[in-house]
Amino acid sequence: EDKVVQSPLSLVVHEGDTVTLNCSYEVTNFRSLLWYKQEKKAPTFLFMLTSRGIEKKSGRQTSILDKKELFSILNITATQTGDSAIYLCAVSTTGANSKLTFGKGITLSVRP
Amino acid sequence: SAVISQKPSRDICQRGTSLTIQCQVDSQVTMMFWYRQQPGQSLTLIATANQGSEATYESGFVIDKFPISRPNLTFSTLTVSNMSPEDSSIYLCSVERGDEPYEQYFGPGTRLTVT
Repeated sequence: EDKVVQSPLSLVVHEGDTVTLNCSYEVTNFRSLLWYKQEKKAPTFLFMLTSRGIEKKSGRQTSILDKKELFSILNITATQTGDSAIYLCAVSTTGANSKLTFGKGITLSVRP
Repeated sequence: SAVISQKPSRDICQRGTSLTIQCQVDSQVTMMFWYRQQPGQSLTLIATANQGSEATYESGFVIDKFPISRPNLTFSTLTVSNMSPEDSSIYLCSVERGDEPYEQYFGPGTRLTVT
């Protein structure tokens, strides 16, 4: 059974801090790893990492994939209160149906 | 990305009734997915809906309880049938666009409360 584990489950930081969110996975036929930010209902797409793109950066966010060790990190620098959200990691596998297996999510709270 | 809308955005329903949720995309997509997120939990895939074929359901989900339609490449519906309080969840549709392979984008979600 495919498994995605995120840690820590929750995190409280102050504005300006740097945070690192972790995601490890055990899946058969790995295709890609995706990070989402969920503030209300809908997860917002952040990054997708595959064997062709193992590090992606957007503004203050950087995500890295280690395919050998089967994990990914999402790093956020100079955090702001607007970064407060649930961060979801999901893994996609090859096959006819591109299903995503999600981790439980990391609740990040950024205090002023 | 893709612009996805869902209707209704929220509803409160009585036990034993059914609700149909609509998902509309602004462009043609091959793969559409329906997920459920129960309170305090992560997302769980219910089924994959491809146009022109029957939906493929994940373990624990059956067509009688969650019938799905996919009449064309921009639209899908999910019905939650014979509802019980355990069906109270956020229901989300997502799409994978062919020109951005492997990236899935989510609709705004439908928050369902069953009393």
